[in-house]
Amino acid sequence: EAGVAQSPRYKIIEKRQSVAFWCNPISGHATLYWYQQILGQGPKLLIQFQNNGVVDDSQLPKDRFSAERLKGVDSTLKIQPAKLEDSAVYLCASRPDLRYYNEQFFGPGTRLTVL
Amino acid sequence: AQSVAQPEDQVNVAEGNPLTVKCTYSVSGNPYLFWYVQYPNRGLQFLLKYITGDNLVKGSYGFEAEFNKSQTSFHLKKPSALVSDSALYFCAVRDYGNKLVFGAGTILRVKS
Repeated sequence: EAGVAQSPRYKIIEKRQSVAFWCNPISGHATLYWYQQILGQGPKLLIQFQNNGVVDDSQLPKDRFSAERLKGVDSTLKIQPAKLEDSAVYLCASRPDLRYYNEQFFGPGTRLTVL
Repeated sequence: AQSVAQPEDQVNVAEGNPLTVKCTYSVSGNPYLFWYVQYPNRGLQFLLKYITGDNLVKGSYGFEAEFNKSQTSFHLKKPSALVSDSALYFCAVRDYGNKLVFGAGTILRVKS
């Protein structure tokens, strides 16, 4: 079974530029998550999708971050404009909805450096 | 809100010795607890979870975790550490809406 795919793996941009990350979850997983992991910290949830609807985006800085999940499969996370403090690893995860206690499966992440 | 705490930034152990990585939790209701491991430049890999039942949970790569309700702890253990176990370990708790709340992580260093 293929895992969660993310691209790009690394990205370096200047502050105030825009950037987009892509995620392809495990086939059949209805729930998709984007996390931000700042160096030295645990992952923090940014947004959660159920199929193509947003379940929770309470931690998403909506003035600069946006995310979508068209057709309930792939998802993109965008930052516009980027700030220095956005430097982090952005992790995508997906989860089957068969049981409420199912674990999440994570992709390799995208490491963003904002200069 | 649900939360977990990992009191140790780093744990050092000699290869072949038992290891313990600590986690305590604070929840309202029943706790659903997870351990993940992260190797450099990799995503998080699931190790094990506690939902209900036996307090000793067995997981991947020889790891196990002991759930202790009275001490609100969920410590990760392994009887004999390997150098290849060196990584960053995260404890997490399920929050409302099937979200995960993670601890800050513990670096495990196993020396030969």
